[in-house]
Amino acid sequence: DIQMTQSPSSLSTSVGDRVTITCRASQSISSYLNWYQQKPGKAPKLLIYAASSLQSGVPSRFSGSGSGTDFTLTISSLQPEDFATYYCQQSFTTVTFGQGTKVEIK
Amino acid sequence: EVQLVQSGAEVKKPGESLKISCKGSGYSFTSYWIVWVRQMPGKGLEWMGIIYPGDSDTRYSPSFQGQVIISADKSISTAYLQWSSLKASDTAMYYCARHIANIGSDYWGQGTLVTVSS
Repeated sequence: DIQMTQSPSSLSTSVGDRVTITCRASQSISSYLNWYQQKPGKAPKLLIYAASSLQSGVPSRFSGSGSGTDFTLTISSLQPEDFATYYCQQSFTTVTFGQGTKVEIK
Repeated sequence: EVQLVQSGAEVKKPGESLKISCKGSGYSFTSYWIVWVRQMPGKGLEWMGIIYPGDSDTRYSPSFQGQVIISADKSISTAYLQWSSLKASDTAMYYCARHIANIGSDYWGQGTLVTVSS
């Protein structure tokens, strides 16, 4: 399996802050990288697919970048509803998830 | 409207068998993979396996190979995840999701909570 390593595992931040989460693959996955948001008690929600494409209905403050092995999810101005856990997922060969990044209120 | 509806919560004893389901509607069930994902209490998402209902091509995560069986019945647009002998460590929420490589897992079921306790 391709291994996905996310960092940081958690971060404390404030409304209005810019947030960056990184994800590294153990081998090149081209642009087959997706980002999800999960809130407690809910199923994950697709935010970004193919590294940088915004899923329909997702606010434009979310963006993704990267290719090959290194990827980034950016939230340009954190809103109260964005406090959640974020996961990356590679879909180059089957599927693997990163370990998650919990975004908490400072 | 695309929907994935999973079967209800289960409470089982160690050693019992179980089969949970995921019924798709609103799209061509045979044209997308279905992925199964485990989430243990307070933990992250773990890929278990993936099936293409069109031809039943199935791949398993090495962590779950031999531990579960994934199947699908395309005639009723339903995918399944089954265990032959549950362990307490199988206690978790299990999600199914529609998946395609260049789009990711775009629709998810509501989850099935499995509790295994003596």
